[in-house]
Amino acid sequence: EVQLVESGGGLVQPGGSLRLSCAASRFSFSKYDMHWVRQGKGKGLEWVSGIGTVGDTFYSDSVKGRFTISRDNAKNSLYLQMHSLRAEDSALYYCARGSYCGDGDCFRIYHYVYWGQGTPVTVSS
Amino acid sequence: QSALTQPASVSGSPGQSIAISCTGTSSDIGAYNNVSWYQQHPGKAPKLMIYDVTNRPSGVSDRFSGSKSGNTASLTISGLQAEDEADYYCSSCVDTSTLDVLFGGGTKVTVL
Repeated sequence: EVQLVESGGGLVQPGGSLRLSCAASRFSFSKYDMHWVRQGKGKGLEWVSGIGTVGDTFYSDSVKGRFTISRDNAKNSLYLQMHSLRAEDSALYYCARGSYCGDGDCFRIYHYVYWGQGTPVTVSS
Repeated sequence: QSALTQPASVSGSPGQSIAISCTGTSSDIGAYNNVSWYQQHPGKAPKLMIYDVTNRPSGVSDRFSGSKSGNTASLTISGLQAEDEADYYCSSCVDTSTLDVLFGGGTKVTVL
């Protein structure tokens, strides 16, 4: 069964930085788009960022310019570097598996079957 | 881009059918057949219930069905059961040249 395990969350002051990680296993990580989705306490889901298999990156307007998504296929890992953090960035951050892109073709999907359990981020002084 | 619009809450008695709406625009729901629905129980990660408007992943009960008309998608739960009490979120593609996804604000389903 596919496994996604997030880590790196914690308490950080406003304006600070944090780097989240997502360790993937039991699937060919390099052949899938990967995403970060967050959920504020008692709030709804919000798509944050996605990265394609060739390293193309996409961000929501709310984090563009402050967050950087990256991946290390050799380590089967996904990352989210967060800078200039604000109180409204406080949330549970999930990583999720996206589209399959292999054998020179992409079967693009916009839904997530596999999610991690999330890592919490609290931005507060 | 603003979140898709869902009712805050919907309720029904066991055995009844309920429908949850998800309203977007001609740039998201109206433009693509990539609407998905997720169920989330407290303290748990979201679970995919419907994808590409009408498709059910393996293992999801056929009591769950999806549809779309214009800029509005709907999730129908038939034969409501106590275990269906949860939060439900819709989502949609917003541009097939990107990986961007837009979620709805969520709907709390209560089984009376």
